[in-house]
Formats: sequence, structure tokens, C-alpha cells
Amino acid sequence: KAGVTQTPRYLIKTRGQQVTLSCSPISGHRSVSWYQQTPGQGLQFLFEYFSETQRNKGNFPGRFSGRQFSNSRSEMNVSTLELGDSALYLCASSSLSTENTEAFFGQGTRLTVV
Amino acid sequence: SQQGEEDPQALSIQEGENATMNCSYKTSINNLQWYRQNSGRGLVHLILIRSNEREKHSGRLRVTLDTSKKSSSLLITASRAADTASYFCATAIFNTGFQKLVFGTGTRLLVSP
Repeated sequence: KAGVTQTPRYLIKTRGQQVTLSCSPISGHRSVSWYQQTPGQGLQFLFEYFSETQRNKGNFPGRFSGRQFSNSRSEMNVSTLELGDSALYLCASSSLSTENTEAFFGQGTRLTVV
Repeated sequence: SQQGEEDPQALSIQEGENATMNCSYKTSINNLQWYRQNSGRGLVHLILIRSNEREKHSGRLRVTLDTSKKSSSLLITASRAADTASYFCATAIFNTGFQKLVFGTGTRLLVSP
């Protein structure tokens, strides 16, 4: 089984621009979660999608948004980029078949805002 | 906010030694998961321990969970240089079909040949 695939691996953007990151979950997994990792804040939960619906959102501004498609692939978008948005963005996929299921992560997208 | 605090923040050992990392958390959980991260790359899932389990093994890994103390430990036996990485615990709370992971601060492990 292929793992979680995130594209692109690296991005450099300018302040004020917007960016879209993509995540393809493990086949059969319907839950996709996004996390931001920074040296200062560590790993922070952004949002989770299941069957194309956002079910939970972390404490991030509205500039951070996402969506999930019918094939469970997910995208997250950050508009009006700020220097502080520079981070490693990680996507996790889970089957959520029971209340104790592993979450598997992709390699991440390293976003640098200049 | 981060629920988990990991201890120590950094650990330096020689190959062949054992490495123990501890994780404390604040609320009731459904399970706790340990991950490894190599220098800013993705998280690799190591092991999941359920709230009703006290100990679990996987190869050279041994995880314990004490829900009364809200703490967990990860023991890596006979460490290798390839074990050099950051290790994170993540507590999972399952609610209405959604599992949210809250990560600890991580332990940086350096294993020297």
C-alpha cells in the first residue's frame, strides 16, 4: 500500500501570496488531518476532513482553509501569507475504523515565506 | 496548546545503550501514539497503546502507559546510530468519530557510534 503523499515537498513564497498544498491519503482512508510544525509552537492541529466535510478546526486564522475531494485527497490553502506561516505542514491519514486507529503522516511540505 | 510534555528534551547516548523518553499529559485519552521524526521530515508511526493497556512491545521498542499518573514512556533497547531522531508522543481523544492528536514537545535523541 502506498503511504501518504504530500506535494510539493518544498515551496518558497513571498509575503501576501497564497499557497495550496496537496495530500493524498492511504487508499481506503477517509480521514485527513493537517498539522503545522514550527520550532516555536511545535506540532499544532489545523483541521480534519472526513468524507469531504470539515469536522474540526484548530485555533488558526481564517486565512487557513482546506477541502477534501470525493477520492479523499485533500488540499489546504493559506492566503495572504505572512512570514510566521513558514513551517513544515504535515498531513495525516487515518481509517478511523475504530476509536483506536493509527494516524499515518506524509513527508510534509516545507513552506518558506520571504 | 500542547497537552504533552516530554522529558528529557534532549538525550545523548552511545550505540548499544538503552534510551528512555517520558511523556506526561493532562486529560483523559483514548490512546497514545509515539512517532519518530528524522531532521524535519515526516512523522513515522512507531506504536499505539490504548488507554486500557499498560505495556506494549514492538521489536526494540517498549511503551508503558500509566493513566493514573497520565504518563507514558518509550524505551528503545540496544540503540543504533540510525535511531538518532526526534521522538514525539501524541495523545488521542476520540469524539463523535473524530480522533484529534495532541503532540508533546518531543525528545531529541542522539546515538553516537
